[in-house]
Formats: sequence, structure tokens, C-alpha cells
Amino acid sequence: GAGVSQSPSNKVTEKGKDVELRCDPISGHTALYWYRQSLGQGLEFLIYFQGNSAPDKSGLPSDRFSAERTGGSVSTLTIQRTQQEDSAVYLCASSFSVKNSPLHFGNGTRLTVT
Amino acid sequence: AQSVTQLDSQVPVFEEAPVELRCNYSSSVSVYLFWYVQYPNQGLQLLLKYLSGSTLVKGINGFEAEFNKSQTSFHLRKPSVHISDTAEYFCAVSDRSTNAGNMLTFGGGTRLMVKP
Repeated sequence: GAGVSQSPSNKVTEKGKDVELRCDPISGHTALYWYRQSLGQGLEFLIYFQGNSAPDKSGLPSDRFSAERTGGSVSTLTIQRTQQEDSAVYLCASSFSVKNSPLHFGNGTRLTVT
Repeated sequence: AQSVTQLDSQVPVFEEAPVELRCNYSSSVSVYLFWYVQYPNQGLQLLLKYLSGSTLVKGINGFEAEFNKSQTSFHLRKPSVHISDTAEYFCAVSDRSTNAGNMLTFGGGTRLMVKP
């Protein structure tokens, strides 16, 4: 079946603009995760959604970052007033809620802030 | 809280040679352990995972890893690498607690470069 789909695959934006990144999880996966992968660094956790529970936002680096998940499926990560340090690959993953269910990752959105 | 350290940022190796990618972790809670691989311009794929039982875990593409509790390590090995194994490899842990999700904490990654 279809995997995790992210769009756009690439996004170039000017400093100060807002951007929206989209993630379509695998059908039936109730858990959804956003990670950020910066050049030369590992993967940084941003936010986690589990079913209808309140999301775990502990990884969001600033209040310019927000995310929502509508209808328990599609998620949008929004970055307001982008800064150059926001340039990174943003990865989305989804999984079943069953403990130890593996995370399935999308190919990411490469964000470049000029 | 957990942290994962991958001691080598890059590992160059010749084709058909053995390789070991090192991973150490620190955690205040009991964890599960994972290795993921990322090929260029792609997302991450699960290579293998340790949940319980035998400390030697076999994964896809001929990779295996051994969990060492006393050394808090989970090193990844392959006896003979191929050019196609060139990729970024990430070690990760997740909290075993039943009320925790499957969120992963990742290491910084190791770039495996296989040369002909």
C-alpha cells in the first residue's frame, strides 16, 4: 500500500514568510510524528500526535512552530516568520499505536530559507 | 530522558570488508533499541530492532546488531558490505513504558561510505 506522503518535497522561501508542510500518514496509523533533520545533525523530535489525545509538543523549538492533525489523519506543520536556521529536512512518520509498532517515514520536505 | 551517541560520524570502508557502526545510549528508563537506514533523498527505513530475548538481532540486508546492557551499547555489524550499503545509519531508542508512545530518540547518524 501507499507509504507516508509528504508535500512539497522541496520548498524555498524568503526569510520572514510563513510555510506549511503537509503529511499524509499511512491509512490506519493513529500515531504521527514530526522530526527535523538539519545538515550535519541527527533527527530532532518536534511533535507527536496519538489518536484524539493532546499532542506532545515538547520538541517544538519556538512558538513560531505549530502543527495540527485534522480528522486523525493528515497533519500540517506550520512555521511562521521563517528564519535561516529553520532550513532543514522535515520528516514525518506514522505508526500504529500498538507498543513497538515501527515508525514509517516519508521522504521529507527540504526547506530552504533564503 | 534518553540520549544516543553514535561515535563515528563517517565510516569509510572497502567493498566486501566487514564493518561495525557504534552506538551507545543513556537512559533513566528501560528502552527498546533500533537501527534505521537513510538512502540519499529518501526517508528512513527500519533495519532491525531489539525488544527482548536474544541480544543478537538480525535485520534486513545482512545486518545484525548486539545489545550489551552492561555497556549500554547496540553496535551494528555486517560481515561484508556492498556499494549499495552506502547510506546514513541512525541508532535510536524508545521508552519501554506502557504509557509512552513509540517516539524515537535518535543518534547523530553515521555515514557509511563503501568504496570499490
